[in-house]
Amino acid sequence: NAGVMQNPRHLVRRRGQEARLRCSPMKGHSHVYWYRQLPEEGLKFMVYLQKENIIDESGMPKERFSAEFPKEGPSILRIQQVVRGDSAAYFCASSLGQGGSYEQYFGPGTRLTVT
Amino acid sequence: AQSVTQLDSQVPVFEEAPVELRCNYSSSVSVYLFWYVQYPNQGLQLLLKYLSGSTLVKGINGFEAEFNKSQTSFHLRKPSVHISDTAEYFCAVGGGSNYKLTFGKGTLLTVNP
Repeated sequence: NAGVMQNPRHLVRRRGQEARLRCSPMKGHSHVYWYRQLPEEGLKFMVYLQKENIIDESGMPKERFSAEFPKEGPSILRIQQVVRGDSAAYFCASSLGQGGSYEQYFGPGTRLTVT
Repeated sequence: AQSVTQLDSQVPVFEEAPVELRCNYSSSVSVYLFWYVQYPNQGLQLLLKYLSGSTLVKGINGFEAEFNKSQTSFHLRKPSVHISDTAEYFCAVGGGSNYKLTFGKGTLLTVNP
């Protein structure tokens, strides 16, 4: 059973470009979470999605960031007009159900560098 | 609101020595507690979790942690570490129906020969 897949693993963008990060959850999982890890910081929750629904985006910056989890295909985290402060590792996790008792399985992350 | 404090940002130890990584949390609701390990340039792997029941939790790779409600702590221990345990360790808290995990800043464990 493949784990959570994320691609690309490394992404370099110039300021002002768009970044698209993809996440394929574990087979059978329909709950997806995105977290951001800034240098020397812990992971911070960004958004929680189920298929075709954003359940909680309280951790997402109000501008330039969006996320989706379509009926078919991976979840996408999109960052428009990237700035240097967006440089971070972005981790996706998936779970079988909703609630704190369901283990979240993490992908290897996408390391975004904005030059 | 929930928060997690990992008291040590770096812990250097010698191989085969015991180690304790400290974690304190605050929460207004009952909690679930987790320890994750992150090897360089990799994702997070769950070491162990406390949901309910016995306060002493055993995990993978010989690690264990003890939930102490009165001290709001969930310290991670291993009686004898190996070089391969060198990694960043994150303590996290979730609660009840709360799917958001709140992470500490991490503790870098470096095991020296």
